[in-house]
Amino acid sequence: GQQLNQSPQSMFIQEGEDVSMNCTSSSIFNTWLWYKQEPGEGPVLLIALYKAGELTSNGRLTAQFGITRKDSFLNISASIPSDVGIYFCAGQTKGSNYKLTFGKGTLLTVNP
Amino acid sequence: GAVVSQHPSRVICKSGTSVKIECRSLDFQATTMFWYRQFPKQSLMLMATSNEGSKATYEQGVEKDKFLINHASLTLSTLTVTSAHPEDSSFYICSARSGGGGTEAFFGQGTRLTVV
Repeated sequence: GQQLNQSPQSMFIQEGEDVSMNCTSSSIFNTWLWYKQEPGEGPVLLIALYKAGELTSNGRLTAQFGITRKDSFLNISASIPSDVGIYFCAGQTKGSNYKLTFGKGTLLTVNP
Repeated sequence: GAVVSQHPSRVICKSGTSVKIECRSLDFQATTMFWYRQFPKQSLMLMATSNEGSKATYEQGVEKDKFLINHASLTLSTLTVTSAHPEDSSFYICSARSGGGGTEAFFGQGTRLTVV
């Protein structure tokens, strides 16, 4: 089945720093989604990307859908302590009944 | 964004009993709902996909007789863990998507199941 490689696995940064994480796939996706999950909660959708090359922002978050449709990145600018959590990328293909393939997640820790 | 409510958030049950978890879409009609299982520090593993009014489609390796899924209405899907065992202890999460052009799915808060 399809697999997503998400990196880095974890990040420990200082408040105010910018963060970048990415996902790559061996196969093409039609939609890329980025979620954030906090302990004991379900994932919350941050950004959805639908077109190759699309660059979308949501506040301090920016994500891009790679031109090849096999990768996506998420940037967080000027991190704050509440950015702490696990960030997951997810890809979706046409004809998959809208099933999502998830990356393994990036654990972000922000030191105040 | 759309709201998906999952209940209960935590449940402890005895081995051999059955537990039902509810997933409701509060402000939209969910044509498709998904059930996931998540182990500590791991990603989400899709268990099954359910479309309203039809039988759920289970992923390979997921026992359909053990994890009963019902999607009887456009706003409610249930997952029943039957004859639960300690190894069924996990975090179960549902997600729902509406029909139409949007493909993104919205997640419930998750249910922490502990079988003792």
